[in-house]
Amino acid sequence: AQTVTQSQPEMSVQEAETVTLSCTYDTSESDYYLFWYKQPPSRQMILVIRQEAYKQQNATENRFSVNFQKAAKSFSLKISDSQLGDAAMYFCAYRSAFLNYGGATNKLIFGTGTLLAVQP
Amino acid sequence: NAGVTQTPKFQVLKTGQSMTLQCAQDMNHEYMSWYRQDPGMGLRLIHYSVGAGITDQGEVPNGYNVSRSTTEDFPLRLLSAAPSQTSVYFCASRAGGRYGYTFGSGTRLTVV
Repeated sequence: AQTVTQSQPEMSVQEAETVTLSCTYDTSESDYYLFWYKQPPSRQMILVIRQEAYKQQNATENRFSVNFQKAAKSFSLKISDSQLGDAAMYFCAYRSAFLNYGGATNKLIFGTGTLLAVQP
Repeated sequence: NAGVTQTPKFQVLKTGQSMTLQCAQDMNHEYMSWYRQDPGMGLRLIHYSVGAGITDQGEVPNGYNVSRSTTEDFPLRLLSAAPSQTSVYFCASRAGGRYGYTFGSGTRLTVV
C-alpha cells in the first residue's frame, strides 16, 4: 500500500523569504501523480501544484515549485517570496495512475500536513 | 463557476440520528469522492464513484452510504450517527486522466 509522509508538522517563514516543505512517499508503482494542496483557515482545499511521475521536469506554478526526486521518492514544495496569504496547512497527496479494479486511481492518499506560518 | 457545492456547512446531530450530506458539481466530472478529515490524520476516503450508477467503498466506509443517480450529485448518508463520525467532510470531483480533484468547502459535523 502507498503511504505519504510529511515529517514537518509546523514550519515558519518570514514574509518575502523562501521556504521548502518536505514530503516523501512509498510506492511500488511507476506511474502516479503527486499533488500539493493548501488548506487555509477557511477550510477550503485548494490544489497548488501537480506533478506527473513520468515527467522529469519539475512542475512550477508562479511562486510555487516542486523538487521531484523519483528515485528517492521525494516531493518537496518550495514557496518563493512568501506572502501572508500563504499561511495555511499544506498537504502532500499521491494518486495512482493505473486503472484497476480496486479503484486505486480514484483514491488520493494524503500526508498528515504541514502547518505553515508566515511572519510579517 | 460554482465548482463543487456542499450543504450544509455545519451540522449538529444526536447519536442515532440519520442525515444526508449533499454534494453537487457543475463541471461534468466523472469521478466523485467523499473524504473525512480528522486532526492529525489527514484526509481519508469514505466512498467514491466513477460515474452515474457506479460507486465503491474507500478506506473508511462503515456507517455511510452513497448513491449516484446523476453525474452532478453524490450525496453521503449517515445511517445512525455516532460520536466517532464527528469530523469535517469533504466532497471532491475530477475529470478523467491526470487532473487533480476539486474540493467542496466542507461540512463540519458534530455528533453529540
